[in-house]
Amino acid sequence: EAGVTQFPSHSVIEKGQTVTLRCDPISGHDNLYWYRRVMGKEIKFLLHFVKESKQDESGMPNNRFLAERTGGTYSTLKVQPAELEDSGVYFCASSQPRLAGPQYFGPGTRLTVL
Amino acid sequence: AQTVTQSQPEMSVQEAETVTLSCTYDTSENNYYLFWYKQPPSRQMILVIRQEAYKQQNATENRFSVNFQKAAKSFSLKISDSQLGDTAMYFCAGTSNTGKLIFGQGTTLQVKP
Repeated sequence: EAGVTQFPSHSVIEKGQTVTLRCDPISGHDNLYWYRRVMGKEIKFLLHFVKESKQDESGMPNNRFLAERTGGTYSTLKVQPAELEDSGVYFCASSQPRLAGPQYFGPGTRLTVL
Repeated sequence: AQTVTQSQPEMSVQEAETVTLSCTYDTSENNYYLFWYKQPPSRQMILVIRQEAYKQQNATENRFSVNFQKAAKSFSLKISDSQLGDTAMYFCAGTSNTGKLIFGQGTTLQVKP
């Protein structure tokens, strides 16, 4: 069974540009989470999808971030326009529709904004 | 609010020895779940062990076990017979019914041959 995959693995962009990150969860996992780790700090929750619906987006830093999960399959996280402080590693995780089930993480996308 | 604290940024252990990583978890929820995740160098994060707060018995997975002291809000991870492949960053995390994980700062563990 394929694990959680993320694309791209690395992205280097200039301030003001747009970047779209993609996450493909494990098949059958209704729950999809986005997290971010800014350099030297702890991993922070961004948002949670249940199928195609946003269950919790309390961690989204501001309206420059837009997440979608069309059809309840893969998800995208778009940053527009990117700022220097958006640099970090963006992780996606998925889990089965079960209370507090284990989350399976993707390898992350390292975003560098210059 | 929920908080997770790991007070040991770095630790090291000799191969085959035992090491304990510390974590404290504070929440006002009655029902919650605690996890230890590990992230080996340049690899993705994987779940090591999971503990349900209402269960008194400490979770064990092969060489990995936890010491969950609910009143003290302590959730430590013990790694027995440490192996070189255990070298990784270890994250303590917790969640309530929402599923959203709250992470600690992480502990980098180096297993030395």
